[in-house]
Order: sequence, then C-alpha cells, then structure tokens
Amino acid sequence: GAVVSQHPSRVICKSGTSVKIECRSLDFQATTMFWYRQFPKKSLMLMATSNEGSKATYEQGVEKDKFLINHASLTLSTLTVTSAHPEDSSFYICSARGPSGGSYEQYFGPGTRLTVT
Amino acid sequence: QKEVEQDPGPLSVPEGAIVSLNCTYSNSAFQYFMWYRQYSRKGPELLMYTYSSGNKEDGRFTAQVDKSSKYISLFIRDSQPSDSATYLCAMSAGGTSYGKLTFGQGTILTVHP
Repeated sequence: GAVVSQHPSRVICKSGTSVKIECRSLDFQATTMFWYRQFPKKSLMLMATSNEGSKATYEQGVEKDKFLINHASLTLSTLTVTSAHPEDSSFYICSARGPSGGSYEQYFGPGTRLTVT
Repeated sequence: QKEVEQDPGPLSVPEGAIVSLNCTYSNSAFQYFMWYRQYSRKGPELLMYTYSSGNKEDGRFTAQVDKSSKYISLFIRDSQPSDSATYLCAMSAGGTSYGKLTFGQGTILTVHP
C-alpha cells in the first residue's frame, strides 16, 4: 500500500525559532498533499493544501507567513513553522492523495509532535 | 454548528460486542464519506469509504450512509481488543473542494477482554 512518512516524529524547540517538518510519499507520486493540525482529543483541522509546483492554498484563519509550505517535488512537501510560540505546540499530520487520485484516497503520515518551550 | 458532529465517547465495550459509531453532518454537498482509525500518537488509517448513500461491508466492518438524514454509521462486529482506537469520520465534497476532508471529533473506543 501507499506509505507516507514524516520527519521528525517529535521535535522540541525554543520560542522564536523555526522548525521544518518533512512529508514524503515513499512509493508513489503525490501531486497533492494536505497538512493538518490536531490538538489533544480533538479532530484534525485542515491547515492547507499543497500542490506540487504551485503555491499552497491555506484554510481560513491559517497564517500563511507563519506556516510556510513548499511542495518542490512529487514526493516531498515541507511545512516550516516560523518564529514558533508555545501556542503552536501541536500534532502536525500530513496526508498525500493516493495514486488513483480519488477524493477518498488519502494516506496519512504518522504525525510530528511539536513542543515549543 | 459544526459541519460534522461525532460523539467523542469514550465508548467501552466487552470483546465480541457489536459497536456502533455515528456522525451527523450539515453540509449537503458532502458526497464522499470515510471512516478512519487512529491509534495513539499515530496518523489516521483509512478503514472504509462510501460514495453517496448506501451500505458497504468489509469483513467485520459495515459502513452506512443516509444522505436524506445526513447521518453515517460504522458498525464493528465481533469487536476485538485490537480495535481499541479513536475512530474518525471524515467527509468530502466534490468540485472545488475535491480532496478536502472535514473530520468529526473522533470517538475513543476501548474493547476490553
């Protein structure tokens, strides 16, 4: 099956620093990837849609200058949290649309837990 | 009102029980309905997918969609301790929203031996 990886799985950073999270589709090409944020015992909230070779589309209320997304290749999308603050601490999950491109066919990465101190 | 409502539980059942998980929604544009299973500190895993109304069965899992009532269900038969996880319903509309998923809050399920 389609596998999506994320790196790192866990990161702790100091307030004011930037953190980059990588999302890779390991055995398929993904023209579209999605970035979600999940708070404890809460649902996944879509942050942005990342399309290879073009600018990401951000959901309402998500600061695009704070959450920089780059989708430079068909297998890699990155999310950079700039000038992180404690309120940015969360579980960040990416997903990639599967090989068939179906609306339902999304494969999720294992997530990255970000803690900002 | 949230677009997708899901009872967060927690739900605790004995091994072998039939589990019923439900979501309601308000957006009539939703056409694709999914159920994901998420283990602690892991990404969601797709369990079932249904397009429009109807039933779909896969092993011990049955998904039902009733678009007229804006209500979807997931049934788990002969539940096992390994089914203990958070179950998330998710929905997607077509058109310009193609591929964007809206998730329910998730129901925490524990199946005890």
